[in-house]
Amino acid sequence: ETAVFQTPNYHVTQVGNEVSFNCKQTLGHDTMYWYKQDSKKLLKIMFSYNNKQLIVNETVPRRFSPQSSDKAHLNLRIKSVEPEDSAVYLCASSSLGGRYAETLYFGSGTRLTVL
Amino acid sequence: AQKVTQTQTSISVVEKTTVTMDCVYETRDSSYFLFWYKQTASGEIVFLIRQDSYKKENATVGHYSLNFQKPKSSIGLIITATQIEDSAVYFCAMRGDSNYQLIWGSGTKLIIKP
Repeated sequence: ETAVFQTPNYHVTQVGNEVSFNCKQTLGHDTMYWYKQDSKKLLKIMFSYNNKQLIVNETVPRRFSPQSSDKAHLNLRIKSVEPEDSAVYLCASSSLGGRYAETLYFGSGTRLTVL
Repeated sequence: AQKVTQTQTSISVVEKTTVTMDCVYETRDSSYFLFWYKQTASGEIVFLIRQDSYKKENATVGHYSLNFQKPKSSIGLIITATQIEDSAVYFCAMRGDSNYQLIWGSGTKLIIKP
């Protein structure tokens, strides 16, 4: 049963627009993540957020920013989208994270297409 | 640097047979954790099974089991009595103790034929 909810499922936009994706988890987990999955299915971590501590993958462009109101929500904002941002964005959560190798629970993803 | 490699891009087997998917990893950490995840056609990624490096016994969950060969830095996933619904992309992942980031392989697409 799904416990990590992402909206929207799909989003089509034009270069330069701002987009925002929502993620909510109902598992009571402490850590949330955003992943980018490209057309070749490669998974790349973008951010992880635990107890208000943000860990950013250094390769993520500055136009990407996570937004968290509480530990159950971690949204992703892209300030000015580029064509290479077309991908599936996956949200995930884990009960502890950090030094604890807990398993991840994923949402169903948001597919972004940039025209 | 840590790395996870899945060399099999795609595997096709007949239903009810056993399949093994390969995964090799690189790490200098003495303690690490290995995971297998499955991504279904709908896009959802679900956890299947894990192996902690300090455990000698191979992990088993349902019809999934692992072939952990530590000297070879290898963690193969074995699926017995495959079913059509096992068709998916399978990802191997690793997390070492020195870096809390999960390192992912490129995935193996499994096709189960009737």
